[in-house]
Amino acid sequence: GAVVSQHPSRVICKSGTSVKIECRSLDFQATTMFWYRQFPKKSLMLMATSNEGSKATYEQGVEKDKFLINHASLTLSTLTVTSAHPEDSSFYICSARTGTYGYTFGSGTRLTVV
Amino acid sequence: QKEVEQDPGPLSVPEGAIVSLNCTYSNSAFQYFMWYRQYSRKGPELLMYTYSSGNKEDGRFTAQVDKSSKYISLFIRDSQPSDSATYLCAMSASEGTDKLIFGTGTRLQVFP
Repeated sequence: GAVVSQHPSRVICKSGTSVKIECRSLDFQATTMFWYRQFPKKSLMLMATSNEGSKATYEQGVEKDKFLINHASLTLSTLTVTSAHPEDSSFYICSARTGTYGYTFGSGTRLTVV
Repeated sequence: QKEVEQDPGPLSVPEGAIVSLNCTYSNSAFQYFMWYRQYSRKGPELLMYTYSSGNKEDGRFTAQVDKSSKYISLFIRDSQPSDSATYLCAMSASEGTDKLIFGTGTRLQVFP
């Protein structure tokens, strides 16, 4: 089946630094990838939709300068959290559309900003 | 009012029990309905998806959609400790609209 590989699974960074999260589609081409954020005991919140070769579409309230998304190839999308602060600590998950109607999710990245 | 409402639980049941998980929604345009299972610190994995109203069965899992009541359910028969996870419902208005709207998830614990 379709696999989306997400790295790193866990990262701790200092406040003010930037962190890059990668998502790769391993055995299929992902024209569109989605980036979510999940708070404890909360639902998945869509942050942005990433389309290969074009600018990402951000959801209302998501700072595009804070969360930089790049989808330079059909198999790789990256999310960079710039100038991270403790309030950016969260679980970030990517997903890609696969098949007729299916979404495959990455395993998630737990970001802790100290 | 949230577009999708889901009881966060936790729901604790003994092994072998029948589990019923539910979501209600407010947007009558939703036509595609999915259930995802998420283990702790992992990404969600698709369990079931249905289009419009009706039932769908896959092994121990049955998904039901009642569009007239804006209510969807997931039933798990003969529940196992390995079913312990968070179950999220998700829905979308059309296949062409890629945005999924998720419920908050229900945490299920099946004890031996």
